[in-house]
Amino acid sequence: ILNVEQSPQSLHVQEGDSTNFTCSFPSSNFYALHWYRWETAKSPKALFVMTLNGDEKKKGRISATLNTKEGYSYLYIKGSQPEDSATYLCALPHPEGNQFYFGTGTSLTVIP
Amino acid sequence: NAGVTQTPKFQVLKTGQSMTLQCAQDMNHEYMSWYRQDPGMGLRLIHYSVGAGITDQGEVPNGYNVSRSTTEDFPLRLLSAAPSQTSVYFCASNRGAAAYGYTFGSGTRLTVV
Repeated sequence: ILNVEQSPQSLHVQEGDSTNFTCSFPSSNFYALHWYRWETAKSPKALFVMTLNGDEKKKGRISATLNTKEGYSYLYIKGSQPEDSATYLCALPHPEGNQFYFGTGTSLTVIP
Repeated sequence: NAGVTQTPKFQVLKTGQSMTLQCAQDMNHEYMSWYRQDPGMGLRLIHYSVGAGITDQGEVPNGYNVSRSTTEDFPLRLLSAAPSQTSVYFCASNRGAAAYGYTFGSGTRLTVV
């Protein structure tokens, strides 16, 4: 089993604030990291797939960075909007197989 | 393009009953997986398949069977439902290899009484 940890567990921010949260993972045998956005009563949707140390991905106001040497990835949201409210999941494949392991997610609530 | 289609969306079973959760994808994805989501536990892998005719166990396989006779379909069978199997179940597929993100189905909320 791959230990994937996300922090914080939940976050409340005011509309317009910028925020970030963390996904931590074992730094050995890294292959890829996925970020997903999961809105209430819907299914998770892929945001980013990151594979290289130092990778930085961006989609609109959301961006992510990856540090494979120290075993973490940050997800940033600039100028949070109420529609950004969701749970953000990260997942990694086990290096020796085809199994993905998910963190428990960070629940973001943006207050208008 | 339907993506990943899961049925049913909701189901209530009595302890000991059996049922099959259906999953179909129309994206010609090789990889398909079943996850369950429980409060505080995150998504946990039940079974997965890397292609037609090939299946393997995930983290929590006990009480579930799968088969993959075609690329498109990956049904999950509960052989004798138990209250511990009350959960939300998600089917997901991807193109294969870890560099591709999953496409998830809309989920099945199962209650075993």
